[in-house]
Amino acid sequence: QTVVTQEPSLTVSPGGTVTLTCASSTGAVTNGYYPNWFQQKPGQAPRALIYNTNNKYSWTPARFSGSLLGGKAALTLSGVQPEDEAEYYCLLYYGGAWVFGGGTKLTVV
Amino acid sequence: QVTLRESGPALVKPTQTLTLTCTFSGFSLSTSGMCVTWIRQPPGKALEWLARIDWDDDKYYSTSLKTRLTISKDTSKNQVVLTMTNMDPVDTATYYCARMGIAEAGHYFDYWGQGTLVTVSS
Repeated sequence: QTVVTQEPSLTVSPGGTVTLTCASSTGAVTNGYYPNWFQQKPGQAPRALIYNTNNKYSWTPARFSGSLLGGKAALTLSGVQPEDEAEYYCLLYYGGAWVFGGGTKLTVV
Repeated sequence: QVTLRESGPALVKPTQTLTLTCTFSGFSLSTSGMCVTWIRQPPGKALEWLARIDWDDDKYYSTSLKTRLTISKDTSKNQVVLTMTNMDPVDTATYYCARMGIAEAGHYFDYWGQGTLVTVSS
């Protein structure tokens, strides 16, 4: 059973920078896992933020960026805003099937 | 404008089969590279990827649930149907459908439906 692991929770101050990571139980995450990142606020459907490691959608704020970092996929928020408080999920590709991470609850205080 | 909407029963009994329909607009599932995928989320828990169907009718399933899932499409109606057999209370979740695309830039999941809550209880 493939497991995708994210930090359960992180806290950041407004204006600060935070990096969320996404690890695979199968080994280092590469571009071939097509990492995707999503933001979900309470009571809402997930919203897509990043695809294929570092590609943004037209609606993705510039302060969000994706990368590979130390064998993991990473989502960095620079200049965090209060409205960035949310749950963040990564999604990795395993040859046809996809697996979500457990999510990171980001608190902005 | 791309939209997706999930529909189906709000309540099913244990052991029953769940049938969910995703009705979409703004794109065609006969276009190369277009896919529709299903994801679910139990209350207070993480997202779980379930299944995907591609423009060429290729189908992919979650490893842990593949014996219970069937995905199909009706391109003329712009609908994708997911069935899940032998429902159990642990399958209580909000079920989402989302558009997925395969492009040179990668695989993307850009538009999601609002989700439909399915409760499994006798």
